[in-house]
Amino acid sequence: NAGVMQNPRHLVRRRGQEARLRCSPMKGHSHVYWYRQLPEEGLKFMVYLQKENIIDESGMPKERFSAEFPKEGPSILRIQQVVRGDSAAYFCASSPRQKNTEAFFGQGTRLTVV
Amino acid sequence: QQQVKQSPQSLIVQKGGISIINCAYENTAFDYFPWYQQFPGKGPALLIAIRPDVSEKKEGRFTISFNKSAKQFSLHIMDSQPGDSATYFCAASTVRDMRFGAGTRLTVKP
Repeated sequence: NAGVMQNPRHLVRRRGQEARLRCSPMKGHSHVYWYRQLPEEGLKFMVYLQKENIIDESGMPKERFSAEFPKEGPSILRIQQVVRGDSAAYFCASSPRQKNTEAFFGQGTRLTVV
Repeated sequence: QQQVKQSPQSLIVQKGGISIINCAYENTAFDYFPWYQQFPGKGPALLIAIRPDVSEKKEGRFTISFNKSAKQFSLHIMDSQPGDSATYFCAASTVRDMRFGAGTRLTVKP
């Protein structure tokens, strides 16, 4: 059973470009969480999704950021018109359907905006 | 508004010593409390977890102590080793939500 897969592992974008980060949850997991981690800082909640639904996006910036988790395929975190301050590690985690248990994390995508 | 407060921010312990990291939460709906360990360049990995119906859980050198009335829980690492040097995150969750503490960077000196 493969773990949570995130790609790409490293992403470099110029200011103003778009960044698309992908997360494939573990098999059988239908809950996905996205977190942002700045250097030397903790994990900041961004958004919680279930298949085809955004459950909680209270941690998402109001502009330029969006997330989806379609019926088929990975969850996507999309950042439009990136700025230097978007440079961070973005982690996704998945957990099983309707079960409060640990979430399993991917290796993260390290976004660098130049 | 930080729902889970973690302290200390950093911790230095001698090899063989006890490392103690504390967390406090606000939301009484939280009913699952995992701890994660993160090495540089890696994603967080589950270390140990507890539910509020028990006051303590031990796995090897790692122990969680849980105080439901105080809404606090802590991680104890006994006989700390240099290989334990990492960042540790506490978390609190419900079925719909998981919130993390800010993390504690642990350094175990040989």
